[in-house]
Amino acid sequence: EVKLVESGGGLVQPGGSLRLSCAASGFTFNTYWMHWVRQAPGKGLVWVSRISVDGSSTTYAESVKGRFTVSRDNAKNTLYLQMNSLRVEDTAVYYCGRPVATGDIDYWGQGTLVTVSS
Amino acid sequence: EIVLTQSPGTLSLSPGERATLFCGASQGVSSNSLAWYQQKPGQAPRLLIYSVSNRATGTPDRFSGSGSGTDFTLTISRLEPEDFAVYYCQQYGGSPEVTFGQGTRLEIK
Repeated sequence: EVKLVESGGGLVQPGGSLRLSCAASGFTFNTYWMHWVRQAPGKGLVWVSRISVDGSSTTYAESVKGRFTVSRDNAKNTLYLQMNSLRVEDTAVYYCGRPVATGDIDYWGQGTLVTVSS
Repeated sequence: EIVLTQSPGTLSLSPGERATLFCGASQGVSSNSLAWYQQKPGQAPRLLIYSVSNRATGTPDRFSGSGSGTDFTLTISRLEPEDFAVYYCQQYGGSPEVTFGQGTRLEIK
């Protein structure tokens, strides 16, 4: 059974940092690109970032470029999102996702809530 | 950047009726890289349709997707009570890599 479990969310002040993790199981992690998607309270889905199977290629939404860094540890079957210089508008549930092929995400974690507030 | 615009914002229908949801792209979506998701309150999204018209594993055949270029449609042929939710379209072949529409809320009339 494919399983994705996010962790690392919490309350942080503006300007602070957090690192999210996504533990993957039930599939061959190192053969799939992976994504981060977020959803602010009561709002729609927003794509955040994508990483290639070996981590050599990463892409980001403009709103997080230069502040967020996606990475992966294939030996640990774990995806990461390092979030720096956090803003109030980064407040959201953050989901990791595994695509069918490239961007069509067929498996999602349960999400982890990040709250940026003073 | 490819912007996806979904319409209507809210659709009010009764069980048994047919639902038609629209997704328009600001420029052509390459390689038919268009998907549809369903999301219920407190849950992660669920992939329904990928590559415009392919049903994901477990998607009932009352759901169908169609379209090309800049205009796409999700049709639910006969609404079941569990179909009332928010639906998002997504493109994953453009620049930036991935964008979502703003969503259509399908509510019980």
